[in-house]
Amino acid sequence: GQNIDQPTEMTATEGAIVQINCTYQTSGFNGLFWYQQHAGEAPTFLSYNVLDGLEEKGRFSSFLSRSKGYSYLLLKELQMKDSASYLCAVDDKIIFGKGTRLHILP
Amino acid sequence: GAGVSQSPSNKVTEKGKDVELRCDPISGHTALYWYRQSLGQGLEFLIYFQGNSAPDKSGLPSDRFSAERTGGSVSTLTIQRTQQEDSAVYLCASSTQGELTDTQYFGPGTRLTVL
Repeated sequence: GQNIDQPTEMTATEGAIVQINCTYQTSGFNGLFWYQQHAGEAPTFLSYNVLDGLEEKGRFSSFLSRSKGYSYLLLKELQMKDSASYLCAVDDKIIFGKGTRLHILP
Repeated sequence: GAGVSQSPSNKVTEKGKDVELRCDPISGHTALYWYRQSLGQGLEFLIYFQGNSAPDKSGLPSDRFSAERTGGSVSTLTIQRTQQEDSAVYLCASSTQGELTDTQYFGPGTRLTVL
């Protein structure tokens, strides 16, 4: 079967670092996406990991462990505008998790 | 330059009617994707076009759904005999070549409500 798990909601403080985890069990795997989606808007592509390890893009980094079926998105120096849902998606006919709603407190 | 546009932005229809949703990708983008986001659900992949052809149609939820793309540009998603469970936001995205590492640029979506 296909299953992607990520926490439903998280809360963090402005300026802090937060890690959003995603575990997956899928019949196929070519890579893993992370998307950011603000309420009422379309999702925005953040990253795509194919190989194990950490990839950094400015304040956002994404990590993948294929053997463990695990990824995380790391957000540093949190800003209020980072309050959004973060979607983890496995590239096997592009299956999405339900998203993690991140709340940033001032 | 112009981004991905979709029309209509909102569509309310009665159960059993057909609807057609339109997506205008960014000019020059080869790949085009359709997704559906239902209330409380994650994003669901529907279909992907590389040029005018769709290599994989298995994401379409039922045979009431069909999509086409002409001239390597505009795409339409048609839902026949709409059901209430079809109510969702339908999102379209395009990317330069359809490589999975290409950034997908999303349109604003069409909110479909089936009464």
